[in-house]
Amino acid sequence: RKEVEQDPGPFNVPEGATVAFNCTYSNSASQSFFWYRQDCRKEPKLLMSVYSSGNEDGRFTAQLNRASQYISLLIRDSKLSDSATYLCVVHGSSNTGKLIFGQGTTLQVKP
Amino acid sequence: GAVVSQHPSRVICKSGTSVKIECRSLDFQATTMFWYRQFPKQSLMLMATSNEGSKATYEQGVEKDKFLINHASLTLSTLTVTSAHPEDSSFYICSASSRGGLYEQYFGPGTRLTVT
Repeated sequence: RKEVEQDPGPFNVPEGATVAFNCTYSNSASQSFFWYRQDCRKEPKLLMSVYSSGNEDGRFTAQLNRASQYISLLIRDSKLSDSATYLCVVHGSSNTGKLIFGQGTTLQVKP
Repeated sequence: GAVVSQHPSRVICKSGTSVKIECRSLDFQATTMFWYRQFPKQSLMLMATSNEGSKATYEQGVEKDKFLINHASLTLSTLTVTSAHPEDSSFYICSASSRGGLYEQYFGPGTRLTVT
């Protein structure tokens, strides 16, 4: 079983749609969680950290369910510029700083 | 936000040669730098963790004699791919953290290596 699992998609949605991505992780001792965005042939960029209480940044909302070891990202009012691959990233339980990346979920927003 | 640069952005080399990739943190001191590799349509895979002034810690399956890492200062780490082969062709990305990687890591723009 992969340490971080995501549905690779692609998710094809029209502009203005709301789309949700899910991610599960296997290590219950994981401490920190992130969503990164990666554009084609570019480096990942931090989109947002994910907190247990849930957090929102504009059109983006992230949720964490530790009991189910499940992380989600909700994008409202999708823009064409949201088209990218979204990486679920989990920080391991040790203090080594090691990040575990999911395979990524590809989003295509169409006009 | 923190800025990390990588050089070169793209390199093509012949099989058997060595290639050095530089990773620099431009506006902060990176106590820890990480080197990743990403093959097409796959996730980023951590190769090694590098702490300034000490030997790098390599992930299982990554040959330390083939991928030489040097982290001589708080702003520079280098990865040298020795005796490169076509199967080493990949996207190599570094990241840097000022807090031992326990929080956000900032990624460089990546280096696309093609070995012919």
